[in-house]
Amino acid sequence: SSELTQDPAVSVALGQTVRITCQGDSLRSYYASWYQQKPGQAPVLVIYGKNNRPSGIPDRFSGSSSGNTASLTITGAQAEDEADYYCNSRDSSGNHLGVFGGGTKLTVL
Amino acid sequence: QLQLQESGPGLVKPSETLSLTCTVSGGSISSSSYYWGWIRQPPGKGLEWIGSIYYSGSTYYNPSLKSRVTISVDTSKNQFSLKLSSVTAADTAVYYCARHPTLYYYDSSGYYDYWGQGTLVTVSS
Repeated sequence: SSELTQDPAVSVALGQTVRITCQGDSLRSYYASWYQQKPGQAPVLVIYGKNNRPSGIPDRFSGSSSGNTASLTITGAQAEDEADYYCNSRDSSGNHLGVFGGGTKLTVL
Repeated sequence: QLQLQESGPGLVKPSETLSLTCTVSGGSISSSSYYWGWIRQPPGKGLEWIGSIYYSGSTYYNPSLKSRVTISVDTSKNQFSLKLSSVTAADTAVYYCARHPTLYYYDSSGYYDYWGQGTLVTVSS
């Protein structure tokens, strides 16, 4: 199996740029996907693959990867971006999509 | 637009079996392009993958839950189901069903693109 590690909490001033990171050995082989979750709601996919956004996700969200670390960057954070963010990837065997990070609580100040 | 909807009892007694069903609408569960998964989230905690199933019945389970989990698919009803046996209070969580594209060895990506709204299951006597 694998593990993905995220910082529990990150804050950003309104309109500034913030990077949320996710570390794990499986990320050397596989891309992370990123999910935004607001209170009482299901997670929403915001970034997948090398740096792809589903339809309807603002272009201020972007993704990158280097070594064992994947990053989600929000450029010009908005108040509505305040949420929990989770990374997800395949396990080390690549057979399933079952590894989640512990989540990062993003506060927009 | 694809929609997933979880259904099942919201309260289960300790030591009993939790049973949930996910009904898929707006698309076919029999597509060769997708797997269907269960993910849970205890109150105030993070996401935990339970397992995934292909329309053919092929399954993958979280090793930590494997001994208690069974996921099955009913293509005639466009549904897939979760059974978790011998539940305890630690199994209290919001349970989500979700879809992800089939994983290929030549493609390094993987992602859950559609999620159900989630259903809270409480384990209590």
